[in-house]
Amino acid sequence: GAGVSQSPSNKVTEKGKDVELRCDPISGHTALYWYRQSLGQGLEFLIYFQGNSAPDKSGLPSDRFSAERTGGSVSTLTIQRTQQEDSAVYLCASSPTGLGYTFGSGTRLTVV
Amino acid sequence: DQQVKQNSPSLSVQEGRISILNCDYTNSMFDYFLWYKKYPAEGPTFLISISSIKDKNEDGRFTVFLNKSAKHLSLHIVPSQPGDSAVYFCAAILGGSQGNLIFGKGTKLSVKP
Repeated sequence: GAGVSQSPSNKVTEKGKDVELRCDPISGHTALYWYRQSLGQGLEFLIYFQGNSAPDKSGLPSDRFSAERTGGSVSTLTIQRTQQEDSAVYLCASSPTGLGYTFGSGTRLTVV
Repeated sequence: DQQVKQNSPSLSVQEGRISILNCDYTNSMFDYFLWYKKYPAEGPTFLISISSIKDKNEDGRFTVFLNKSAKHLSLHIVPSQPGDSAVYFCAAILGGSQGNLIFGKGTKLSVKP
């Protein structure tokens, strides 16, 4: 597609359940990023994939968070045993090798 | 410890006047700075950027100024329009064109008609 697509757009889950968030980047973009925005906060970096290199996981807040990027394209962010503090908008962005970040519309996660 | 700071959570400006959004940073190794604009329920969209080797970049109504000695940058919007009402994020990057952007918390701009 023409832009970065994220699904679902909204997700409500019970505390303790696992969730998977999906990101379809722009075709041909080698870099893919996950960020999250909690209420009243800026965008917090989570993880960065660049081509076939090992991902930069330095922003993941705990070992409950993991992400994969299959075939250099689609990425899935998984949060295990969700907690209320995981509630946030999760944003995915992709870029070619330069700085041209394009963000998706995000997934609003609410943990109840 | 925040490396990119936007100390004003909100700003209200009259239509037609200038909007000035400020951003401070702490890491002198940042070499590229960007401004993003975000409407509710949408992802951030790129607005304008500036390399650390420059002190000004202009694109239409938007101008970004960089003061490296003060570790400060600002975004000027003139004239401001109601459609400019959004949250503006300042972001910085280390090491050139790769790697993750480090964002500020954003400033919500309201342009009153």
